[in-house]
Amino acid sequence: QQNVQQSPESLIVPEGARTSLNCTFSDSASQYFWWYRQHSGKAPKALMSIFSNGEKEEGRFTIHLNKASLHFSLHIRDSQPSDSALYLCAVTPRGSALGRLHFGAGTQLIVIP
Amino acid sequence: DPKIIQKPKYLVAVTGSEKILICEQYLGHNAMYWYRQSAKKPLEFMFSYSYQKLMDNQTASSRFQPQSSKKNHLDLQITALKPDDSATYFCASSQGLGVQNTLYFGAGTRLSVL
Repeated sequence: QQNVQQSPESLIVPEGARTSLNCTFSDSASQYFWWYRQHSGKAPKALMSIFSNGEKEEGRFTIHLNKASLHFSLHIRDSQPSDSALYLCAVTPRGSALGRLHFGAGTQLIVIP
Repeated sequence: DPKIIQKPKYLVAVTGSEKILICEQYLGHNAMYWYRQSAKKPLEFMFSYSYQKLMDNQTASSRFQPQSSKKNHLDLQITALKPDDSATYFCASSQGLGVQNTLYFGAGTRLSVL
């Protein structure tokens, strides 16, 4: 059974800071790696995904994957108060039928103006 | 306008009763899913459907039964409700069947079982 762990559990940063969120997984044969963001009381919404080792940048967000280390991360440049939310990492496990993602418990981010 | 509609938004039920959670998507997607988010566990996969056929089931209990009357419609029937079933149930959909397809979630139904 895939084990997905996130750190830290919560994070408070000032506006404009660079924020780093971490996710570890247990199976190196996992296929796809995702970050979702969930504002309070709202639906989770996909931010970014990656499937091969390396980095991918979209606007202020960068995702980094290292399969050998069983680790991927999300970096937010110039954090904004609107970025305050629960950030969920997720992994598509090996041999998974469609739609089955294993999620971490989340990192609660608060950006102080 | 929300493209994935879940009804109701809030639901209170008594132990032992039965409830149906409704989900319709208007994104033209071919696959639909149910996930559950409780206070004690991370967001958890329950079922996936494609073209009204069950593709994957990770729910041990037969008390949870998905029902699909149309390709864009996937309800969740829960029988013999227990307090542990209290959670927010999210419906989701994706365009295609491959693992690279992004899941889009509805706003959820928050179920409380007393």
